Amino acid sequence: AAGVIQSPRHLIKEKRETATLKCYPIPRHDTVYWYQQGPGQDPQFLISFYEKMQSDKGSIPDRFSAQQFSDYHSELNMSSLELGDSALYFCASSLSTPDTQYFGPGTRLTVL
Amino acid sequence: EDQVTQSPEALRLQEGESSSLNCSYTVSGLRGLFWYRQDPGKGPEFLFTLYSAGEEKEKERLKATLTKKESFLHITAPKPEDSATYLCAALRGAGNMLTFGGGTRLMVKP
Repeated sequence: AAGVIQSPRHLIKEKRETATLKCYPIPRHDTVYWYQQGPGQDPQFLISFYEKMQSDKGSIPDRFSAQQFSDYHSELNMSSLELGDSALYFCASSLSTPDTQYFGPGTRLTVL
Repeated sequence: EDQVTQSPEALRLQEGESSSLNCSYTVSGLRGLFWYRQDPGKGPEFLFTLYSAGEEKEKERLKATLTKKESFLHITAPKPEDSATYLCAALRGAGNMLTFGGGTRLMVKP
């Protein structure tokens, strides 16, 4: 079965640089979620989109923005990167809510 | 304040030694309780969704149950390949965010 696709899988950036993470949801899923997971921590909810509109917002820094496009893929844009942004970033998708959220393999971001 | 807590934080079992993982929650308007398995450096892998107290679901050696205050993940005769971190998460209220419980790191020795 098709799963959530994330790219890139690994990303290394310098402080103050920008990064763009991409997420391709499971076909026919209309809701996309972004989570950040630091070492030894739980995934923390950042933001979600339903039918291309922002549907919920969590602890997402103002330096980050995201959007969902007409083909339902989503991008998380991160600017002025800080060392503390180093983490695993997961995208998940679901067919509306409260349906199950299926997670992608993640993007490991390292900020040097 | 809404809270999800898992116990124990870590659990070591011998192969074949059955046990249970606990997920306690105080969440207003619970809309779903989810169990995931996560291997190091990988994305959470979906196991079960429970929607109402009294509900039970099974898959191979795993069985998840839900009461009004907690959920249990029972592991029967575990194998070394069951070693992973098991996450429970609650979906509450009108929002879409999952609130995770901290995880239980399970290690099964042969």
